[in-house]
Amino acid sequence: EPEVTQTPSHQVTQMGQEVILRCVPISNHLYFYWYRQILGQKVEFLVSFYNNEISEKSEIFDDQFSVERPDGSNFTLKIRSTKLEDSAMYFCASMRYSNQPQHFGDGTRLSIL
Amino acid sequence: QKEVEQNSGPLSVPEGAIASLNCTYSDRGSQSFFWYRQYSGKSPELIMSIYSNGDKEDGRFTAQLNKASQYVSLLIRDSQPSDSATYLCAVKNSGAGSYQLTFGKGTKLSVIP
Repeated sequence: EPEVTQTPSHQVTQMGQEVILRCVPISNHLYFYWYRQILGQKVEFLVSFYNNEISEKSEIFDDQFSVERPDGSNFTLKIRSTKLEDSAMYFCASMRYSNQPQHFGDGTRLSIL
Repeated sequence: QKEVEQNSGPLSVPEGAIASLNCTYSDRGSQSFFWYRQYSGKSPELIMSIYSNGDKEDGRFTAQLNKASQYVSLLIRDSQPSDSATYLCAVKNSGAGSYQLTFGKGTKLSVIP
């Protein structure tokens, strides 16, 4: 069964450094998402991406965050200057059509030191 | 602010019993509802989706939706120790464009052998 893949599984970065989290959504899916989950807290929406542009972003997704779909398969989340509070699990999700469920990747655990 | 509320638990049930998980949501316009299972340190895994009032059964799982009461539930019959996990209720945004999910905090289920 096709799945969403994310790399790396764990990223450790010094505060202030840039980090790029990578995702390969399911190949025929059209809608792409990033969510994050701080340890012990709920899953929170960051950004949605459709038709090669951001369709919506949350208050969390400030100017330090950006997303790209540089080719037909990858979907990346960049954090320009990481802060301690960016430490969390970051999940990529994709969806074929708007009336279908989202499928999640295994996540990237981001640890900011 | 769209809210999804769940009892955080923990909910403990003996093996073979029925586990009942509940969720309420604030956005009356919501049309799509999902239950995800999340094992500790892992990503959300889709269990059930439900879109219309009533019951939907899939194996040992039954989702129930009551839009008038803004209430969704998940029943797990013949609970197994492997069902021990956190169950996340998620509601898809009813607004146009992004279709992002709003998650509850999750209910932690423990099935006691």
